[in-house]
Formats: sequence, C-alpha cells, structure tokens
Amino acid sequence: GAVVSQHPSRVICKSGTSVKIECRSLDFQATTMFWYRQFPKQSLMLMATSNEGSKATYEQGVEKDKFLINHASLTLSTLTVTSAHPEDSSFYICSATGLAGGLEQYFGPGTRLTVT
Amino acid sequence: GQNIDQPTEMTATEGAIVQINCTYQTSGFNGLFWYQQHAGEAPTFLSYNVLDGLEEKGRFSSFLSRSKGYSYLLLKELQMKDSASYLCAVKKGANNLFFGTGTRLTVIP
Repeated sequence: GAVVSQHPSRVICKSGTSVKIECRSLDFQATTMFWYRQFPKQSLMLMATSNEGSKATYEQGVEKDKFLINHASLTLSTLTVTSAHPEDSSFYICSATGLAGGLEQYFGPGTRLTVT
Repeated sequence: GQNIDQPTEMTATEGAIVQINCTYQTSGFNGLFWYQQHAGEAPTFLSYNVLDGLEEKGRFSSFLSRSKGYSYLLLKELQMKDSASYLCAVKKGANNLFFGTGTRLTVIP
C-alpha cells in the first residue's frame, strides 16, 4: 500500500513554456502533499506544502507565481512550472501523507524536467 | 534555514559495518528520518527516531540524541546493493521534512 505516482517521469520543454507535473496517491487519501526539487548530487529541497482544498505554503525563496501548486482532491496535486528557464531543469519529487496522519511521507518516483 | 550536516561521501567494504552520521541544529524538532535513495529514484523510508536511543530494523539501525542534535544510521553486513545515497531528514511541526545534504555510500568488493 501507500503508493504515490508521478506523471510524466521525464519531460523536455522549451524555454518560456509551461509544464505541468501530476502527483497522485493511488491507494490512500492524501491530506497533505509536498513538492521537492533536487539538483544533481544535492539533497532534496522542500519547495511547498499543500493541503487539499487550500492554498499551498511555499518555502522561502520559492516563487509561488512561477511554481503553481493545486491540490484539488485528496488524491491529486499538480505542480506547474510556468515560463520555464534552463535553470529550472531539475528532478521534481512529490510526497504525501495520509488521513491517518502516519509518520511517513510516501514519495513518488520523481519527474526529470529538462528545459532547453 | 535548517543546518543538517552529513558527510558527502563514504566508502566501505562488502560484509562490513558502516556508520553514517548526521548532525542538526533546528527549532521545533519533531523526529528524524533516514531515507535511502538510488540515483534517479525517489527516496525510500528506512527508519524514524523521535526519542533518544537506538531503533533496530534488520541490517539497519538508527540512533538519536536530541540533546546533542545527533543521529547515525548503522548498516551491517553491507551488500553491493546498499550503494546509494542516504538522506537524513528532520521533521518540523506536523509534517514538514527538511533534508540533509545526503551521504553517497559506495560499497566495494
């Protein structure tokens, strides 16, 4: 149980375009979802936390108008990278915690974004 | 920000024991996690400590000292497949995790 999926797994886009990444909890309802970014050979950096039906809370230094997060249901959160630039190229990983408030965050497999 | 430090890289021999240390300085501490991450994949949960002491789970053990802001992950009977990055993460508040820099472990024959 506790499976989180992400789509797409890899995406290449041109500078200036927008890209949407989906994060789904497949077998549990996720009250809270988290979005992380990971640059090569670096650790995960928390970008934002989203609760179903409310606005996301962004970490310091993360532009909320550039990284749009929507948590419309208990099983789906989306991250849209708007007006992408090459420096946005990174590995984006989502995670989720369930209604039971368990200890763990369950991580998705990640999305590799390359902006050309 | 959160000051969570780990060694960048470690190398150990197959069959041996390795200890990966993590130190942290943070307010609102609510537990410490260890995750394993293979290149290009998502992290997978290894252990969780919220009270001082040692938690053992098979070949993996994790220790926490809250007063010292210190934790370690102990891996026994190392196998080649244990080559991966090991991430220490501090939990703040109800849910938020803040990750350390990660330790890249290489297991050699």
